[in-house]
Amino acid sequence: EPEVTQTPSHQVTQMGQEVILRCVPISNHLYFYWYRQILGQKVEFLVSFYNNEISEKSEIFDDQFSVERPDGSNFTLKIRSTKLEDSAMYFCASRPRQGGTEAFFGQGTRLTVV
Amino acid sequence: DQQVKQNSPSLSVQEGRISILNCDYTNSMFDYFLWYKKYPAEGPTFLISISSIKDKNEDGRFTVFLNKSAKHLSLHIVPSQPGDSAVYFCAASQETSGSRLTFGEGTQLTVNP
Repeated sequence: EPEVTQTPSHQVTQMGQEVILRCVPISNHLYFYWYRQILGQKVEFLVSFYNNEISEKSEIFDDQFSVERPDGSNFTLKIRSTKLEDSAMYFCASRPRQGGTEAFFGQGTRLTVV
Repeated sequence: DQQVKQNSPSLSVQEGRISILNCDYTNSMFDYFLWYKKYPAEGPTFLISISSIKDKNEDGRFTVFLNKSAKHLSLHIVPSQPGDSAVYFCAASQETSGSRLTFGEGTQLTVNP
């Protein structure tokens, strides 16, 4: 069964460093998302991406964040200068189309900023 | 952001009985609702969804009910099994506008043998 895969499963980084979280969405899907879940809190929307551009972003997704689909298969989230409060589980998701379908989630990357 | 709320952080039921998980929302623009199940260290797994034009959707042991006037939905699991023990998230979206999912806080379901 097709699935969304994320790498790495766990990343530890020093505050101020740049990190790139990687995702391979399901191959025929057109809509891509990043969500995060800080420990003990809700799953929160970060950004959606369609047709090689950001279609929507939340207030969390500030200038420190960027997304890219560099080669038609990978979908990356970059945090330019990590802060302690960026520590969270980051989930990538994809959907085949916009309306009336579920989003399929990857297993997540646990980011720990020290 | 309290647009989607699950008021019960936990629920414990006996194997074979019904589990009822509840979810309330405030944004009347939401038109698609989903339930996800999540195990520790894994991503959310889709369970069942319902469009706002329906009031019930059933898939095997799982049934979702939507009461639009009350802005309330519920997930019924019958019969409950120990393998159903997980965190259940309610999510909602506005399908004509980006379709980002807004999640509730989650309910930890424990099914006791």
